[in-house]
Amino acid sequence: EVQLAESGGGVVRPGGSLRLSCAASGFTFDDYGMSWVRQAPGKGLEWVSDINWNGGNIGYADSVKGRFTISRDNAKNSLYLQMNSLRAEDTALYHCARSAGYSNNWNLDYWGQGTLVTVSS
Amino acid sequence: QPVVTQSSSASASLRSSVKLTCTLSSGHSSYIIAWHQQQPGKAPRYLMKLEGSGSYDKGSGVPDRFSGSSSGADRYLTVSNLQSEDEADYYCETWDSNTRVFGGGTRLTVL
Repeated sequence: EVQLAESGGGVVRPGGSLRLSCAASGFTFDDYGMSWVRQAPGKGLEWVSDINWNGGNIGYADSVKGRFTISRDNAKNSLYLQMNSLRAEDTALYHCARSAGYSNNWNLDYWGQGTLVTVSS
Repeated sequence: QPVVTQSSSASASLRSSVKLTCTLSSGHSSYIIAWHQQQPGKAPRYLMKLEGSGSYDKGSGVPDRFSGSSSGADRYLTVSNLQSEDEADYYCETWDSNTRVFGGGTRLTVL
């Protein structure tokens, strides 16, 4: 059974940093691309970042480019999101999701429950 | 990059059918999309991948009541024999080189 478990969320002040993690299990992690998708309270889904199977191809939404960094450790079956220079508008539930294929040019097919990030002074 | 547009809300009666629409932007009418369901308080769940031809491929465990179809730039999700648990937000997703896009979501109410 595919499982994705996010952690690392919390309350942080504007301008602060946070590192999110996603532990994957139930599938061969390095066969798949991975994504982060966020959802602000009461709002819809917003794509944040994609990474392909080996980290060689990465994409970011314009809203986070230059502030967030996605990475993965295939030996640890883990996905990460380093978030710097956080703003109030980054407040959201952050979901880890699996791409249906090895690259980023596939739909997402499994989702984690999410970890909540709150940016507030 | 592509844009996908969805109606904000829809409603239909228990045991009836409803057809939700996702419209691709100009120049992107051939794109593949995916439909995802998000029940209240839960994580999104992948329903299906849908091509411009109308061919679709459903996720594991998705009931037969869910089906997809296409016409031009429009991608449809039809839910038949509506059940109370189908009341949820439905999102379409598409992607291009290093970009992924979600529609604003359609909130489906089962009357």
